Amino acid sequence: VQLVESGGGLVHPGGSLRLSCSGSGFSFSSYTLQWVRQAPGKGLEYVSALSGNGGTTYYADSVKGRFTISRDDSGNTLYLQMRSLRAEDTDIYYCVKSAWGVGWFDYWGQGTLVTVSS
Amino acid sequence: EIVLTQSPATLSLSPGERATLSCGASQSLSISYLAWYQQKPGLAPRLLIYDASSRAAGIPDRFSGSGSGTDFTLTISRLEPEDFAVYYCQQYVSSVTFGGGTKVE
Repeated sequence: VQLVESGGGLVHPGGSLRLSCSGSGFSFSSYTLQWVRQAPGKGLEYVSALSGNGGTTYYADSVKGRFTISRDDSGNTLYLQMRSLRAEDTDIYYCVKSAWGVGWFDYWGQGTLVTVSS
Repeated sequence: EIVLTQSPATLSLSPGERATLSCGASQSLSISYLAWYQQKPGLAPRLLIYDASSRAAGIPDRFSGSGSGTDFTLTISRLEPEDFAVYYCQQYVSSVTFGGGTKVE
């Protein structure tokens, strides 16, 4: 199993960014996938999730209305579209696979750093 | 939202010693849907324990989890040099939340 994030970088406040996560080594379409973020040196925050059938989504209150999670199962890719970015969105964003439903997280990507700064 | 409180924030021990990490939940976890992760600097978290007491694949048996309801414990029976890291608990009974972490130094 491998999860590889991309798309992070430096963006100005109010700007947009789209993160991608390419998955391999498992039946991508069958699993709930999520984004978890972490400010450097700080704790973990559950940001967003999308079920295997694409029918159920979750967003943390801190990102609701600004972030959109989606997936392309034919291309084994998970996305996180981030808009109206704020300084407090500066974090490492991890793509994470659930073992089942929204269960424990058995595989994590290496993370991609998003920096929101003027 | 279920809030998880980990204690202590920092645990100062030596190799070979026993480490006991606590995770308290603000509400009883009716099902013991609690996991523990280890994170080393510059790396993603790694799953250690799920369902409160089940070891993940490849995790040494010096790591064990226990507890139910609102009180959960991760025990490292004899610390190895590679075990010095930050440990997080996570509940997945009601959405997902993480504890604030315990640093074992």
